[in-house]
Amino acid sequence: EPEVTQTPSHQVTQMGQEVILRCVPISNHLYFYWYRQILGQKVEFLVSFYNNEISEKSEIFDDQFSVERPDGSNFTLKIRSTKLEDSAMYFCASSNDRGDYTFGSGTRLTVV
Amino acid sequence: GESVGLHLPTLSVQEGDNSIINCAYSNSASDYFIWYKQESGKGPQFIIDIRSNMDKRQGQRVTVLLNKTVKHLSLQIAATQPGDSAVYFCAEMEYGNKLVFGAGTILRVKS
Repeated sequence: EPEVTQTPSHQVTQMGQEVILRCVPISNHLYFYWYRQILGQKVEFLVSFYNNEISEKSEIFDDQFSVERPDGSNFTLKIRSTKLEDSAMYFCASSNDRGDYTFGSGTRLTVV
Repeated sequence: GESVGLHLPTLSVQEGDNSIINCAYSNSASDYFIWYKQESGKGPQFIIDIRSNMDKRQGQRVTVLLNKTVKHLSLQIAATQPGDSAVYFCAEMEYGNKLVFGAGTILRVKS
């Protein structure tokens, strides 16, 4: 069964540092997403991406965040200057045009 | 149930019993709803979905009920097994395929 692959599985970073979280979506999916889950809380939408541009972003997705599809297979989330409150699980997902989603296993980001 | 802060509601059931997990959604215009299972350290995993033109949908051991009048979803798991222990989230799909998740319920299955 096709999978969404995320790397790394765990990232520890110093406050103020830049991090890049990487994702390989399912190859025939055209819609890509990032979601965030703070420990013990619900999953929250960050951003959706289609046709090489952001379709929608949440209030969480401020100027410190950016997404990129640098080539035909990768989809990345960059946080420019991490804050303690950015510590969370970050899930990448992709979907087909019917909205059938597949989530990755997530990257646990710890900002110290 | 609803969660506040770090506390998710917990449902404890005996192995073999049926489980019912409830969820309230917010957007009356949503027409597609999904239940996800999340095991520790993993991403949300699709269980079952339902569109707003249906009241009930059945899968293998799972049933989703939709009450649009009161904006309520439920997930019923028959003959609950230890492998069903996880956090369960409902989600509604909004315009642009964006998912809005509910607060989550922890299901604990006692052997």
